[in-house]
Amino acid sequence: SQTIHQWPATLVQPVGSPLSLECTVEGTSNPNLYWYRQAAGRGLQLLFYSVGIGQISSEVPQNLSASRPQDRQFILSSKKLLLSDSGFYLCAWIEGTGFAGANVLTFGAGSRLTVL
Amino acid sequence: AQSVSQHNHHVILSEAASLELGCNYSYGGTVNLFWYVQYPGQHLQLLLKYFSGDPLVKGIKGFEAEFIKSKFSFNLRKPSVQWSDTAEYFCAVASGGSYIPTFGRGTSLIVHP
Repeated sequence: SQTIHQWPATLVQPVGSPLSLECTVEGTSNPNLYWYRQAAGRGLQLLFYSVGIGQISSEVPQNLSASRPQDRQFILSSKKLLLSDSGFYLCAWIEGTGFAGANVLTFGAGSRLTVL
Repeated sequence: AQSVSQHNHHVILSEAASLELGCNYSYGGTVNLFWYVQYPGQHLQLLLKYFSGDPLVKGIKGFEAEFIKSKFSFNLRKPSVQWSDTAEYFCAVASGGSYIPTFGRGTSLIVHP
Protein backbone atom coordinates (compact mmCIF):
# COMPACT_ATOMS: atom_id res chain seq x y z
CA SER A 1 0.00 0.00 0.00
CA GLN A 2 1.04 3.55 -0.56
CA THR A 3 2.20 5.72 2.31
CA ILE A 4 3.55 9.21 2.58
CA HIS A 5 5.98 10.43 5.21
CA GLN A 6 6.77 13.97 6.23
CA TRP A 7 9.36 15.20 8.67
CA PRO A 8 9.95 16.90 10.89
CA ALA A 9 6.43 17.03 12.28
CA THR A 10 7.11 20.20 14.23
CA LEU A 11 9.80 22.81 13.79
CA VAL A 12 10.57 26.10 15.54
CA GLN A 13 13.12 28.24 13.73
CA PRO A 14 14.46 31.78 14.13
CA VAL A 15 14.00 34.37 11.42
CA GLY A 16 16.82 34.18 8.90
CA SER A 17 17.61 30.53 9.48
CA PRO A 18 17.44 27.89 6.72
CA LEU A 19 14.67 25.34 6.30
CA SER A 20 14.41 21.85 4.95
CA LEU A 21 11.19 19.83 5.05
CA GLU A 22 11.23 16.38 3.56
CA CYS A 23 8.51 14.25 2.04
CA THR A 24 8.83 10.69 0.78
CA VAL A 25 6.27 8.41 -0.80
CA GLU A 26 6.29 4.62 -0.66
CA GLY A 27 4.46 2.04 -2.70
CA THR A 28 4.13 3.94 -5.93
CA SER A 29 6.30 5.11 -8.78
CA ASN A 30 6.34 8.31 -10.81
CA PRO A 31 3.84 10.14 -8.59
CA ASN A 32 2.93 13.77 -9.01
CA LEU A 33 4.03 15.49 -5.82
CA TYR A 34 2.73 18.66 -4.22
CA TRP A 35 3.57 21.07 -1.41
CA TYR A 36 0.64 22.96 0.09
CA ARG A 37 0.61 25.46 2.93
CA GLN A 38 -2.38 25.58 5.24
CA ALA A 39 -2.86 28.84 7.10
CA ALA A 40 -5.73 29.50 9.47
CA GLY A 41 -8.70 30.92 7.59
CA ARG A 42 -6.89 30.81 4.29
CA GLY A 43 -7.38 27.23 3.23
CA LEU A 44 -4.81 25.29 1.28
CA GLN A 45 -2.41 27.23 -0.87
CA LEU A 46 -0.48 25.30 -3.51
CA LEU A 47 3.21 26.19 -3.33
CA PHE A 48 4.95 23.75 -5.67
CA TYR A 49 4.23 20.67 -7.69
CA SER A 50 6.39 18.18 -9.54
CA VAL A 51 5.57 15.68 -12.25
CA GLY A 52 9.00 14.07 -12.26
CA ILE A 53 12.58 14.11 -11.02
CA GLY A 54 14.07 17.58 -11.30
CA GLN A 55 10.79 19.06 -12.57
CA ILE A 56 9.41 21.75 -10.27
CA SER A 57 6.62 24.20 -10.93
CA SER A 58 6.08 27.13 -8.61
CA GLU A 59 2.61 28.48 -8.10
CA VAL A 60 3.32 31.37 -5.75
CA PRO A 61 6.40 33.65 -5.70
CA GLN A 62 7.84 33.42 -2.21
CA ASN A 63 10.80 32.82 -0.02
CA LEU A 64 10.67 29.06 -0.54
CA SER A 65 12.01 26.58 -3.08
CA ALA A 66 11.44 22.92 -3.80
CA SER A 67 13.50 20.09 -5.19
CA ARG A 68 12.87 16.53 -6.29
CA PRO A 69 16.17 14.69 -6.21
CA GLN A 70 14.57 11.25 -6.45
CA ASP A 71 11.32 9.88 -7.88
CA ARG A 72 9.62 9.59 -4.50
CA GLN A 73 11.30 12.40 -2.59
CA PHE A 74 10.17 16.01 -2.48
CA ILE A 75 11.96 18.66 -0.42
CA LEU A 76 10.80 22.13 0.59
CA SER A 77 13.58 24.57 1.45
CA SER A 78 14.39 28.11 2.33
CA LYS A 79 17.73 29.86 2.68
CA LYS A 80 16.40 32.50 5.09
CA LEU A 81 13.06 32.12 6.82
CA LEU A 82 10.65 35.00 7.29
CA LEU A 83 8.01 35.37 9.98
CA SER A 84 5.38 34.98 7.26
CA ASP A 85 6.68 31.49 6.46
CA SER A 86 5.06 30.14 9.62
CA GLY A 87 2.33 27.65 8.85
CA PHE A 88 1.34 24.06 8.37
CA TYR A 89 2.98 22.47 5.35
CA LEU A 90 1.39 19.51 3.67
CA CYS A 91 2.94 17.18 1.15
CA ALA A 92 0.61 15.25 -1.14
CA TRP A 93 0.75 12.94 -4.12
CA ILE A 94 -1.42 11.89 -7.02
CA GLU A 95 -1.03 8.76 -9.09
CA GLY A 96 0.63 10.03 -12.22
CA THR A 97 -0.70 7.43 -14.60
CA GLY A 98 -3.43 9.04 -16.62
CA PHE A 99 -6.39 11.29 -16.10
CA ALA A 100 -9.24 9.05 -15.01
CA GLY A 101 -9.35 8.96 -11.23
CA ALA A 102 -5.97 10.57 -11.12
CA ASN A 103 -6.84 13.73 -9.25
CA VAL A 104 -7.42 12.37 -5.76
CA LEU A 105 -4.74 13.72 -3.48
CA THR A 106 -3.26 11.68 -0.67
CA PHE A 107 -1.83 13.89 2.06
CA GLY A 108 0.92 13.44 4.57
CA ALA A 109 0.53 14.29 8.25
CA GLY A 110 2.05 17.71 7.76
CA SER A 111 4.90 19.73 9.23
CA ARG A 112 4.10 22.65 11.51
CA LEU A 113 6.64 25.44 11.18
CA THR A 114 6.85 28.33 13.61
CA VAL A 115 9.25 31.12 12.77
CA LEU A 116 10.16 33.37 15.69
CA ALA B 1 -7.59 30.64 -13.37
CA GLN B 2 -10.16 28.68 -11.46
CA SER B 3 -11.24 29.69 -7.98
CA VAL B 4 -13.25 27.99 -5.27
CA SER B 5 -15.49 29.75 -2.75
CA GLN B 6 -16.72 28.27 0.47
CA HIS B 7 -19.25 30.61 1.95
CA ASN B 8 -19.40 29.31 5.49
CA HIS B 9 -16.13 29.64 7.35
CA HIS B 10 -17.40 28.57 10.74
CA VAL B 11 -20.47 26.46 11.42
CA ILE B 12 -21.69 25.39 14.84
CA LEU B 13 -24.46 22.82 15.12
CA SER B 14 -26.04 20.56 17.67
CA GLU B 15 -26.11 16.82 17.12
CA ALA B 16 -28.91 15.61 14.83
CA ALA B 17 -29.10 18.95 13.05
CA SER B 18 -28.89 18.95 9.26
CA LEU B 19 -25.80 20.27 7.53
CA GLU B 20 -25.22 21.97 4.23
CA LEU B 21 -21.87 23.53 3.34
CA GLY B 22 -21.73 25.65 0.23
CA CYS B 23 -19.07 25.43 -2.47
CA ASN B 24 -18.97 27.37 -5.72
CA TYR B 25 -16.27 27.39 -8.37
CA SER B 26 -15.44 29.63 -11.28
CA TYR B 27 -14.21 27.30 -14.04
CA GLY B 28 -16.61 26.89 -16.97
CA GLY B 29 -15.31 23.67 -18.52
CA THR B 30 -15.19 20.07 -17.42
CA VAL B 31 -14.37 19.76 -13.74
CA ASN B 32 -13.62 17.17 -11.14
CA LEU B 33 -14.99 18.05 -7.74
CA PHE B 34 -13.95 16.96 -4.27
CA TRP B 35 -14.67 17.38 -0.63
CA TYR B 36 -11.83 16.67 1.77
CA VAL B 37 -12.09 16.49 5.54
CA GLN B 38 -9.54 16.98 8.28
CA TYR B 39 -10.56 15.56 11.64
CA PRO B 40 -8.69 16.91 14.67
CA GLY B 41 -5.21 15.43 14.78
CA GLN B 42 -5.66 13.45 11.57
CA HIS B 43 -4.51 13.66 7.96
CA LEU B 44 -6.52 15.55 5.41
CA GLN B 45 -8.51 12.85 3.60
CA LEU B 46 -11.00 12.47 0.79
CA LEU B 47 -14.66 12.58 1.82
CA LEU B 48 -16.22 12.23 -1.63
CA LYS B 49 -15.62 13.08 -5.26
CA TYR B 50 -17.46 13.72 -8.50
CA PHE B 51 -15.94 12.94 -11.89
CA SER B 52 -18.97 12.22 -14.10
CA GLY B 53 -22.38 10.55 -14.12
CA ASP B 54 -24.93 10.90 -11.35
CA PRO B 55 -24.56 14.45 -9.99
CA LEU B 56 -25.55 13.27 -6.51
CA VAL B 57 -22.55 11.53 -5.00
CA LYS B 58 -22.33 9.74 -1.72
CA GLY B 59 -19.26 9.61 0.44
CA ILE B 60 -18.16 8.18 3.73
CA LYS B 61 -20.00 8.63 7.02
CA GLY B 62 -23.36 9.52 5.47
CA PHE B 63 -22.18 12.60 3.60
CA GLU B 64 -23.39 13.44 0.12
CA ALA B 65 -22.85 16.25 -2.34
CA GLU B 66 -24.76 17.45 -5.35
CA PHE B 67 -23.13 18.85 -8.47
CA ILE B 68 -25.33 21.52 -10.06
CA LYS B 69 -23.56 22.52 -13.25
CA SER B 70 -25.79 25.52 -13.97
CA LYS B 71 -24.97 26.97 -10.57
CA PHE B 72 -21.28 25.98 -10.57
CA SER B 73 -21.93 24.46 -7.17
CA PHE B 74 -21.00 21.31 -5.27
CA ASN B 75 -22.63 21.62 -1.86
CA LEU B 76 -21.98 19.11 0.87
CA ARG B 77 -24.88 17.75 2.92
CA LYS B 78 -25.62 15.46 5.80
CA PRO B 79 -29.14 14.99 7.16
CA SER B 80 -28.11 14.45 10.78
CA VAL B 81 -24.67 15.39 12.08
CA GLN B 82 -22.83 13.71 14.91
CA TRP B 83 -20.29 15.02 17.38
CA SER B 84 -17.65 13.02 15.51
CA ASP B 85 -18.26 15.12 12.39
CA THR B 86 -16.42 18.01 14.06
CA ALA B 87 -13.67 18.77 11.56
CA GLU B 88 -12.51 21.15 8.89
CA TYR B 89 -14.02 20.62 5.45
CA PHE B 90 -12.41 21.68 2.18
CA CYS B 91 -13.97 21.84 -1.25
CA ALA B 92 -11.60 21.38 -4.19
CA VAL B 93 -11.90 21.63 -7.95
CA ALA B 94 -9.65 20.35 -10.71
CA SER B 95 -10.37 21.49 -14.23
CA GLY B 96 -10.54 18.84 -16.91
CA GLY B 97 -7.15 17.33 -17.57
CA SER B 98 -5.48 19.17 -14.72
CA TYR B 99 -3.52 17.48 -11.97
CA ILE B 100 -3.71 20.58 -9.81
CA PRO B 101 -6.76 20.84 -7.57
CA THR B 102 -7.64 24.28 -6.27
CA PHE B 103 -8.94 24.38 -2.73
CA GLY B 104 -11.43 26.62 -1.00
CA ARG B 105 -10.64 28.34 2.29
CA GLY B 106 -12.26 25.60 4.31
CA THR B 107 -15.17 25.45 6.73
CA SER B 108 -14.67 24.67 10.38
CA LEU B 109 -17.58 22.60 11.67
CA ILE B 110 -18.17 22.17 15.39
CA VAL B 111 -20.91 19.80 16.49
CA HIS B 112 -22.04 20.03 20.09
CA PRO B 113 -23.22 16.81 21.74
